[in-house]
Amino acid sequence: AQSVTQLDSQVPVFEEAPVELRCNYSSSVSVYLFWYVQYPNQGLQLLLKYLSGSTLVESINGFEAEFNKSQTSFHLRKPSVHISDTAEYFCAVSEAAGNKLTFGGGTRVLVKP
Amino acid sequence: DAGVTQSPTHLIKTRGQQVTLRCSPKSGHDTVSWYQQALGQGPQFIFQYYEEEERQRGNFPDRFSGHQFPNYSSELNVNALLLGDSALYLCASSLGRTPETQYFGPGTRLLVL
Repeated sequence: AQSVTQLDSQVPVFEEAPVELRCNYSSSVSVYLFWYVQYPNQGLQLLLKYLSGSTLVESINGFEAEFNKSQTSFHLRKPSVHISDTAEYFCAVSEAAGNKLTFGGGTRVLVKP
Repeated sequence: DAGVTQSPTHLIKTRGQQVTLRCSPKSGHDTVSWYQQALGQGPQFIFQYYEEEERQRGNFPDRFSGHQFPNYSSELNVNALLLGDSALYLCASSLGRTPETQYFGPGTRLLVL
């Protein structure tokens, strides 16, 4: 069975500072990896995904994540955060395209001015 | 182009009652998945429908059932509601038998008293 661990439940960070959200997974097979963002009282929005190919994936709003197979990690980073990045971030894994997503417990990012 | 829509947005029920939640997938999508997100936790997979059949099921009791209609919309039914069923119920749609990405709706927040 697959599982996802997000090591930090909350991450406070100052505006324009860098942030890293950690995600580790366990699975016996190859996986697809995702980061979703959830703003207050909203559903989930896909931030970025790793399916195959380059292990570094980027989003249009400055986030990036790197797939590390040996460490079974998919950490999310942003070099400079904005107030609008305040949200909850979920790491998720699926063992094949179209299969169920298994989510971590989420990391709440609070960006302070 | 409408995204994934869900109704109702909020719902209050009492223990023992039954509830039906509805989901319309993103235009052109034919696969619908349902997730339960308890307060402060990551979403948990309930089941997935494709071509009007349940294709995968998570670790949820038989009180949770679903249906997919020929127009690909879907319903989630929960019988004999328990206090622990209080959660945000998320619907996600995707395209094809092996979709790469699931798109989420805003969710239905269910409160069981």
